[in-house]
Amino acid sequence: DSGVTQTPKHLITATGQRVTLRCSPRSGDLSVYWYQQSLDQGLQFLIQYYNGEERAKGNILERFSAQQFPDLHSELNLSSLELGDSALYFCASKRVGDTQYFGPGTRLTVL
Amino acid sequence: GIQVEQSPPDLILQEGANSTLRCNFSDSVNNLQWFHQNPWGQLINLFYIPSGTKQNGRLSATTVATERYSLLYISSSQTTDSGVYFCAVEESGANSKLTFGKGITLSVRP
Repeated sequence: DSGVTQTPKHLITATGQRVTLRCSPRSGDLSVYWYQQSLDQGLQFLIQYYNGEERAKGNILERFSAQQFPDLHSELNLSSLELGDSALYFCASKRVGDTQYFGPGTRLTVL
Repeated sequence: GIQVEQSPPDLILQEGANSTLRCNFSDSVNNLQWFHQNPWGQLINLFYIPSGTKQNGRLSATTVATERYSLLYISSSQTTDSGVYFCAVEESGANSKLTFGKGITLSVRP
């Protein structure tokens, strides 16, 4: 168990819908990262937050947004969903000088 | 951005065999991690190894940062070692995001 929790584990929804994925980092970790794993793109970085502030952006679509709250949990919002958004979404957390620890992931299926 | 290449893409072993998985990267890095993704999709940290050699049971890893490669050794493989092995790097001077290779799919047969 990495100490990073993600909910829900599975999510099935329809095209055009909006979903919210939630991540709770390890206690004391200020950085939260979101990654997407899809069959065609592999594992790729989406966005990073540090202590509530956006720190870096990767290949994140404009339909996607994220935030980190004062209690350090983070949410990834995916809207106007398309079939191609079906993927495994990982959250990771980190403290300075340490490695990134990954949560169990949320498997999103868009029908 | 940095490129990460893993080889071979697929590996089939008989239980008890040894194997070496390779990761090449195109630029200097602050950090390199090896992960095992199990059949349930979970990413498990194996090693945090920006340089040098580390061992953990039947697994060991070596990173030669000056030559931009890392090796993961699996000895006396077991069926539970099956899954996908990823190498991921954190670029020097950049933010701390990880760039992943495409992974190596390992199948260990009984």
